[in-house]
Amino acid sequence: GAGVSQSPSNKVTEKGKDVELRCDPISGHTALYWYRQRLGQGLEFLIYFQGNSAPDKSGLPSDRFSAERTGESVSTLTIQRTQQEDSAVYLCASRLTPGGTEAFFGQGTRLTVV
Amino acid sequence: KQEVTQIPAALSVPEGENLVLNCSFTDSAIYNLQWFRQDPGKGLTSLLLIQSSQREQTSGRLNASLDKSSGRSTLYIAASQPGDSATYLCAVRGGNQAGTALIFGKGTTLSVSS
Repeated sequence: GAGVSQSPSNKVTEKGKDVELRCDPISGHTALYWYRQRLGQGLEFLIYFQGNSAPDKSGLPSDRFSAERTGESVSTLTIQRTQQEDSAVYLCASRLTPGGTEAFFGQGTRLTVV
Repeated sequence: KQEVTQIPAALSVPEGENLVLNCSFTDSAIYNLQWFRQDPGKGLTSLLLIQSSQREQTSGRLNASLDKSSGRSTLYIAASQPGDSATYLCAVRGGNQAGTALIFGKGTTLSVSS
């Protein structure tokens, strides 16, 4: 597709369950970012991928959060043993190179933990 | 640690007014600055990207300026329209060319009344 695609668009899960969120970046974009946006709050950086490696994982809030990227394309963000405070919109962005190019965002996955 | 502040947090104007949104950042060693628009329940749409060597960028009724030394950027919207109602986010990238995350402000929520 032409833009960054995220799935699912909405996810409701029970507390304690694991969830996987998917991001398909723009084709050819080597840099990929995950952000979290809680209701009424700003965007919190979670993790950055350059190719398939993650040089910056500093934003992951706990060891329940992990992410991987394969084939320099699709990335999945996994949240284990979800808690209610994990409820947020998870946004993915991609960039052509790590240099001075624009970042393009997907529409996000709205995660609700009940 | 880079911090980005946007003032005001909210702004209401009548249609037709020109307006300025402000963004400030604490570390002037940035690679670039990007302005985004976010509509309720949606992802982010890139508006303008200013490289650290540039002073301003223009797109239609939008003009963004950058004063890196003072840590400030402004987004000027001319002849505002109700369709401009959204949250406007400012984000900066640090000076590490290996690839760094965008650090976001909390946004200015703009409401333009007809």
